[in-house]
Amino acid sequence: GAVVSQHPSRVICKSGTSVKIECRSLDFQATTMFWYRQFPKQSLMLMATSNEGSKATYEQGVEKDKFLINHASLTLSTLTVTSAHPEDSSFYICSARVGGLADGSWDTQYFGPGTRLTVL
Amino acid sequence: KNEVEQSPQNLTAQEGEFITINCSYSVGISALHWLQQHPGGGIVSLFMLSSGKKKHGRLIATINIQEKHSSLHITASHPRDSAVYICAVDTDKLIFGTGTRLQVFP
Repeated sequence: GAVVSQHPSRVICKSGTSVKIECRSLDFQATTMFWYRQFPKQSLMLMATSNEGSKATYEQGVEKDKFLINHASLTLSTLTVTSAHPEDSSFYICSARVGGLADGSWDTQYFGPGTRLTVL
Repeated sequence: KNEVEQSPQNLTAQEGEFITINCSYSVGISALHWLQQHPGGGIVSLFMLSSGKKKHGRLIATINIQEKHSSLHITASHPRDSAVYICAVDTDKLIFGTGTRLQVFP
């Protein structure tokens, strides 16, 4: 089946540094990738939607200058947490979707394994 | 009121029991996903449904579009089924339920 990888799986960084998280679709081309974050014992929250070659669409309340998303190719999207602070510590998950089938329906989303960010 | 409601929030079971997790939603959807999240956070997509019923091993998922309701069933539950099960509905983006934490004891 379709596989989505994330790298790194865990990262610990100092406050003020920037962290880049990669999301790759390994065996399919993803026209749309999504980034989610999850605080402990809470549900996933969508941060942004990115389409290859265009700017990401951020959800209300998500700072686009803090969470930089680049969807450079059909198999790679990156999330950069800039000037990270302890409150950014969270579990970040990406998903990838083939998208827009000819009959107007959507293909399934495939989830990455997640990246646990801890900011000291 | 959340657009996606799951019940129960927590569930404990003895090994071998039949388990049902419910999901109700209030928006129009193109599909519904059932996800499994193990301790440590990794998410596995179990099913995507737009109608009817799907079965994979001991897992069965059903959806009733008219009633806006879906159920996930686990037959002959096992301790390795212990995880958080999340229902998510697909509009033009996913809306997640709060999850059901399942613990299966030997």
